Parts: sequence; structure tokens; C-alpha cells
Amino acid sequence: EVQLLESGGGLVQSGGSLRLSCVTSGFTLSTFAMSWVRQAPGKGLEWVAVISRNGGTTYYADSVRGRFTISRDMSKSTVFLQMNSLRADDTATYFCAKDQTPGADNYGSGSYYYWGQGILVTVSS
Amino acid sequence: QSVLTQPPSASGTPGQTVTISCSGSSSNIGTNSVNWYQQLPGAAPKLLIFTNNQRPSGVPDRFSGSRSGTSASLAISGLQSEDEADYYCAAWDDSLNCGVFGGGTKLTVL
Repeated sequence: EVQLLESGGGLVQSGGSLRLSCVTSGFTLSTFAMSWVRQAPGKGLEWVAVISRNGGTTYYADSVRGRFTISRDMSKSTVFLQMNSLRADDTATYFCAKDQTPGADNYGSGSYYYWGQGILVTVSS
Repeated sequence: QSVLTQPPSASGTPGQTVTISCSGSSSNIGTNSVNWYQQLPGAAPKLLIFTNNQRPSGVPDRFSGSRSGTSASLAISGLQSEDEADYYCAAWDDSLNCGVFGGGTKLTVL
């Protein structure tokens, strides 16, 4: 059974840093691209970042490029989102999502069947 | 302002067919596959349609997707009260080099 479990969220001051973790199980991380998607309170979904299945390619939304870094640790079956220089508008629930298509290179297929439960990040100004 | 444009709201009565539109451009919908998600309050999104018109296993055939040019649409037939949710379209954008979502459509079943 595929499971994605996020952790590392919480309250942080503007300008601070947080690292989110997404522990995965039930599949081989090297076979699928992995993404982060966020949702500000009462707002819509916003795509954040993706890491390719081989870990060699990453892409970011303009709103986080240069501040956020997506990475993974194969030995821990974990995907990370390092968030630096946090701003109030980064306040959101962050979801980890697994690409649907095994073996898809680059950004994957861009469709996500499995999602984590979400973790709340609150940035105070 | 979202890259993909959806109507903020839609509504229908039980049994009706409702269609939700998603308008993009040549760099996203015009080139890449469109996916649709359903989100119930307090829950993670659920994949409804992938690659424009494919349904994951377990998704009722009441849900269907289509794409034409730089627009896509999601149709829900035989509307049920449990379909009341937020719906989002999504695609990859080759110009922005990132994924993009529509702003979401809140569906109300009257």
C-alpha cells in the first residue's frame, strides 16, 4: 500500500526556514517523480516543485524558485522540501504527491494519484 | 491570477449534467495533458481524470474529460449530492517550466 506521510511543519517567523519531510512507502522512489503542492487557507491549489525519478532534475514555481529546494534521500525513502526566506504568503498546507506514471522522466506525467495528508506551515510576520 | 482559468462556481440539481471549463494557452493545455482533481473540504485532492480523458480505477464513469485546442472541460453527469466539492484542472507549462493549476471551481448541488 502506497503511503506518503509529511512532517516538519509548524509556526515560523518571516525570514526563517523549515524543512518538510515526506516519508514514502509501498513503492520504489527511484521509479516515480515526486512533487509538492500547497494550498493557502481558503485558497486554491498551487504547484510548488518536482524532483525527477532519478533525482537529477528539479523544477520550481516562480513564487518559490531560489528560496525552496526539493531533494530526496533514497536510503530513507524520503522527499524533502527545504524552505528558506519564508514569507507570510508561504503560509499554507503543503502536500507531498507521487507521480502516477512509473518510469516517466523529467517532471513525470504531472498527474498525482497518491497524496499525503498535508502539513500546515504558518509564517508569522 | 491563475495560469489556467476556471469559473469560480458551478451548480446543478441531482441528475443533471454539469460541465466545468478550463482555459489555458499553447504552452500548457495546447501542448500537454490535462488532469482534473476533486477536493472535498479538509481532504487531500483526488485524481479524477488524467491525460485529458482517462479515469483512474474507482472513478465513476459519470466523470469525463475532454481537451480541444487550449481548453479543456470536465463533465459530471447524473449529478449527486456527494459530488459537491472543489474541482481543479492542472497541466504542465512548457514556458514557465512548472506545473500549473486552475483557480478551482466550487460545485454546488442544489
